Order: sequence, then structure tokens, then C-alpha cells
Amino acid sequence: SQQGEEDPQALSIQEGENATMNCSYKTSINNLQWYRQNSGRGLVHLILIRSNEREKHSGRLRVTLDTSKKSSSLLITASRAADTASYFCATALSGYSTLTFGKGTMLLVSP
Amino acid sequence: GAVVSQHPSRVICKSGTSVKIECRSLDFQATTMFWYRQFPKQSLMLMATSNEGSKATYEQGVEKDKFLINHASLTLSTLTVTSAHPEDSSFYICSARMYRDREHTEAFFGQGTRLTVV
Repeated sequence: SQQGEEDPQALSIQEGENATMNCSYKTSINNLQWYRQNSGRGLVHLILIRSNEREKHSGRLRVTLDTSKKSSSLLITASRAADTASYFCATALSGYSTLTFGKGTMLLVSP
Repeated sequence: GAVVSQHPSRVICKSGTSVKIECRSLDFQATTMFWYRQFPKQSLMLMATSNEGSKATYEQGVEKDKFLINHASLTLSTLTVTSAHPEDSSFYICSARMYRDREHTEAFFGQGTRLTVV
């Protein structure tokens, strides 16, 4: 079964607004990663957060991790039309294990 | 970040023929590569783990004889869809693993291959 489950499945916002996506998982993890996928393309790694970290920033991205609730959130601030894509969380049970992907959130940012 | 090149990006083939998809790590050596399949608007499903110099490890339900994986060098893995049928039509994505430090790895993905079997 899928380890990660994102919500919402789809999110539609206006440029300039913030977008928040959530990811829940079932088992203990070593790290959680967020990826972005433009339609019909491969995945681009956005950010990795380790199990002993609670928050991480990268540019307009902010990721939080709550291991007690087995959940993570990805916040994109001041969104742009170019942020339109699908966003996936992926969990790793160990530092070297394979990644298990969630179902993703489709983000649409309208100009 | 590191670059993984996947080729071709699109391919249309006739039922019964075989199709080879290549995945190359351009600026790093990848002892492990992964092959995923993605259906429209769905997540990535891991098909197999490709290890350089050894046999691939397939996920449950993935036919080894249908999806042949070869990882002959540290920079190249290939996926061959043999005797393709329309139900094999899908988006196939490879990724290569880079060891960032002693504890964590990072995966870099190819651009994906859209396979259409007619």
C-alpha cells in the first residue's frame, strides 16, 4: 500500500497566494522528500527533511515534519503560475532504502 | 543537481514488438537505478531496482520476462518492454541514486518515456 498520502488531491489558487499540501505516512521513516512533476515530465527533487528535523526552508518552500503524527506539510509562499505542477511526497525507511511515493497533489496557480 | 537522461521521451510501437528505454546518469556514477511506471494522474509505482553488475530486483506483480532490465555500467540502465501490448502503454520513469552522505541518498529522475502501444 502507499506509504505517503497527500491531501488535497487538487488545489487551485491565485498567483500570490500561499499553497499548502499535506502528506501522511504509516510507518517510521528515515527521511521524507518532496518532489515536483510538471505534466508529462520527470520528477524534480525539491527538499529532503530528516526524521530528526522539524522544519526546513528552501527559497519559497517551507517543509515541516511531525513524526508523532506521521505527517509533513509543504508550503509554497507567494505562488506563481510557474508553480503549477503535481507535488509528491516520498518516504524512505532508511537512508539507503527505496522511495515510496504518495499519490500527489495537483496544484494549479492561476495568473 | 545531478542529471539523469532518459531516452526516448516518446515512443509508439506496434503490438508484439519490443521497446528499449535507456536511462543514463550523466555526471555521476549510479550503482543503483530504479524504474517506475506512472498511470495518468496517479503516483509512481516502483517496478524494479536495477543494480550494476547484478540482476534486477523486481517488485511483486511485475513480470520479469516482460520488463527486462540491464544495468551493464555505472551510468546506464535499460528497460526493455518485450512483446508490448496496449495495456503496457504508460509513462515510464527512471531514477538514479546518489549518495549524499553516509546516511542519506538523493534520487534524480529522468524526463520519462511515454510509451504508446497500438
